[in-house]
Amino acid sequence: AQTVTQSQPEMSVQEAETVTLSCTYDTSESDYYLFWYKQPPSRQMILVIRQEAYKQQNATENRFSVNFQKAAKSFSLKISDSQLGDAAMYFCAYTNDYKLSFGAGTTVTVRA
Amino acid sequence: SAVISQKPSRDICQRGTSLTIQCQVDSQVTMMFWYRQQPGQSLTLIATANQGSEATYESGFVIDKFPISRPNLTFSTLTVSNMSPEDSSIYLCSVTGGSNEQFFGPGTRLTVL
Repeated sequence: AQTVTQSQPEMSVQEAETVTLSCTYDTSESDYYLFWYKQPPSRQMILVIRQEAYKQQNATENRFSVNFQKAAKSFSLKISDSQLGDAAMYFCAYTNDYKLSFGAGTTVTVRA
Repeated sequence: SAVISQKPSRDICQRGTSLTIQCQVDSQVTMMFWYRQQPGQSLTLIATANQGSEATYESGFVIDKFPISRPNLTFSTLTVSNMSPEDSSIYLCSVTGGSNEQFFGPGTRLTVL
């Protein structure tokens, strides 16, 4: 299985501010997909954003954007204008076939 | 994206017993996946379930402990057999989307006493 590393167990952000979550991965493949998933206390896994490795343009979904650095094997998630509803565990995930490899997760708390 | 339901949503079981978790999808899918999420941990893939064939198990998971059925393209079950407190986890099923992403069910929270 591929290795996905999230080095930040916890992050805290003030409401309306920006927070960036880091993720690195290890692969020898050139074609693969990267994802960020959100898991609130309800435990539902929600797909936040996806990035295809062959696309140089960074993916964006509303207030969520990524900084994909293929050479560095880095895939960070930026949450802009943080809202109370963004509080959750965030998982970075990798696949080059159909199996997902997940990082350990980062817990994001949002301060009102 | 697919709509996925799981039953039960949670259960408390005695050690030595077995629990069967159901996963229902609102559309036909080729592959379904079962994950375990131990308390405070990330997700670990248990097995991949294809309709009409035996499930493929990941290292550390065996069919005797986690038998899986996949009778059709919209349904699968995972049984946790001869449970011990170490089996207390959230169990999630998922299906693939069109861009290699996976969509997840709401999970089953299992507590073994």
